[in-house]
Amino acid sequence: DADVTQTPRNRITKTGKRIMLECSQTKGHDRMYWYRQDPGLGLRLIYYSFDVKDINKGEISDGYSVSRQAQAKFSLSLESAIPNQTALYFCATSDGAGGHTDTQYFGPGTRLTVL
Amino acid sequence: AQSVAQPEDQVNVAEGNPLTVKCTYSVSGNPYLFWYVQYPNRGLQFLLKYITGDNLVKGSYGFEAEFNKSQTSFHLKKPSALVSDSALYFCAVRGRTGANNLFFGTGTRLTVIP
Repeated sequence: DADVTQTPRNRITKTGKRIMLECSQTKGHDRMYWYRQDPGLGLRLIYYSFDVKDINKGEISDGYSVSRQAQAKFSLSLESAIPNQTALYFCATSDGAGGHTDTQYFGPGTRLTVL
Repeated sequence: AQSVAQPEDQVNVAEGNPLTVKCTYSVSGNPYLFWYVQYPNRGLQFLLKYITGDNLVKGSYGFEAEFNKSQTSFHLKKPSALVSDSALYFCAVRGRTGANNLFFGTGTRLTVIP
């Protein structure tokens, strides 16, 4: 969905480095999410934010942190990258109006490789 | 605990034939169910969702899915497959109460053979 953009699209880094993945959206949605996708495991939720002042841990938050700089921006940081964080990372948004019926809309993904 | 199972890693179907991608779920109470498709080097695209009402849900690109509460299933279907339908398909579930998280299956790769 072109309304949700992620930068960078690809990144190779070394073990121990700090890295930030950025997500921006023009959909005007309040809710934003970070997922990682690993082959054979589907998508797993890392963190989510229901508004600028709200940050929540997902299933697999260890080793990650996030920052919700504005309604439209949600960044994911790896403070000290390790090889098992090599994955495809997706940002998603939803408007929250539907509560539990919300549809999430995904960005194109960032492929991260940690050597 | 909420979870989704997609029992088939790979489904092959001939172009023009009907296709089915299977999904079963586990959730406390009634579920909200979603199907997404992922094309190569792209993010997930929303196809359809079941909230309530009619058990047959129609979505984008001619896809539909049938909710079966007794079998806890939500299989994705299309009457006539196209080569362009070849992609990775994900089923996801969310409970009606509690955490708002979407729980995804492991994905099924659909290949439509010309």
